[in-house]
Amino acid sequence: AQTVTQSQPEMSVQEAETVTLSCTYDTSESNYYLFWYKQPPSRQMILVIRQEAYKQQNATENRFSVNFQKAAKSFSLKISDSQLGDTAMYFCAFIFAFGNEKLTFGTGTRLTIIP
Amino acid sequence: DVKVTQSSRYLVKRTGEKVFLECVQDMDHENMFWYRQDPGLGLRLIYFSYDVKMKEKGDIPEGYSVSREKKERFSLILESASTNQTSMYLCASSLLRTSGSPPQYFGPGTRLLVL
Repeated sequence: AQTVTQSQPEMSVQEAETVTLSCTYDTSESNYYLFWYKQPPSRQMILVIRQEAYKQQNATENRFSVNFQKAAKSFSLKISDSQLGDTAMYFCAFIFAFGNEKLTFGTGTRLTIIP
Repeated sequence: DVKVTQSSRYLVKRTGEKVFLECVQDMDHENMFWYRQDPGLGLRLIYFSYDVKMKEKGDIPEGYSVSREKKERFSLILESASTNQTSMYLCASSLLRTSGSPPQYFGPGTRLLVL
C-alpha cells in the first residue's frame, strides 16, 4: 500500500517570506497523481495544487509551486510571498492514476504566517 | 461553486448512542467519502460510495456504517458510539473518474465528542 509522509508537523514563517513544505511518498506504481490540500482554521479543506506523475514539468498556481522529484518520490510545496491567509494545515495526498478513487493523505503540516 | 454541507458542526453524544452524520452535496457528484481527522494521523478514509446504494470500505471502517439512498446524500452511522470515536469527521465528494483525477470537495466537518 502507498504511504505519504510529511515530516514537518509545524512550521512558521514571517509574512512575505518563502516557505517550503516537504512530502515524500512510497509506491511501486508509475502512474499517479499528487495533491496539496489546505485547511484554514475552522474552514473547509480546499485543493491548492495538483501534479500528474507523468508530467516532468512542476505544477504552479500563482504563489504556489511544487518541486516534484519522481525518482526520489518527493513532492514539496513552495509558497512564495507568504500571506496571513496562508496560515492553515497543509496535507499532501496521493491517488493512483487507475483504479479506485481512494486518496491517501499525509499527517499534515501546520503552517503559521507571522505578521 | 460546489457545495458540500454537513448537518452539524459540533455534536456531543453519550457512549452507546446511535449517531447519524449527514452530508449533502449539490453538484451531482457520483463519489462521496467519509474521513476522520485526528491530530498527528491526518485524514483516514472510513467509507466511500461511487453510486447510490454502493459503498466500499476504506482504511478504518470498524464501528461505522454508511447509507446512500440518494445521489446527493451520504450518511455515516455510528451504531454504538464509543469514546475512541471522538474526532473530526469530514465528508467529501467528487466526480466519477473517467480520466485524470478530479479533486475532492470537502464539507466543513463535524466535530464529534463522545462522553
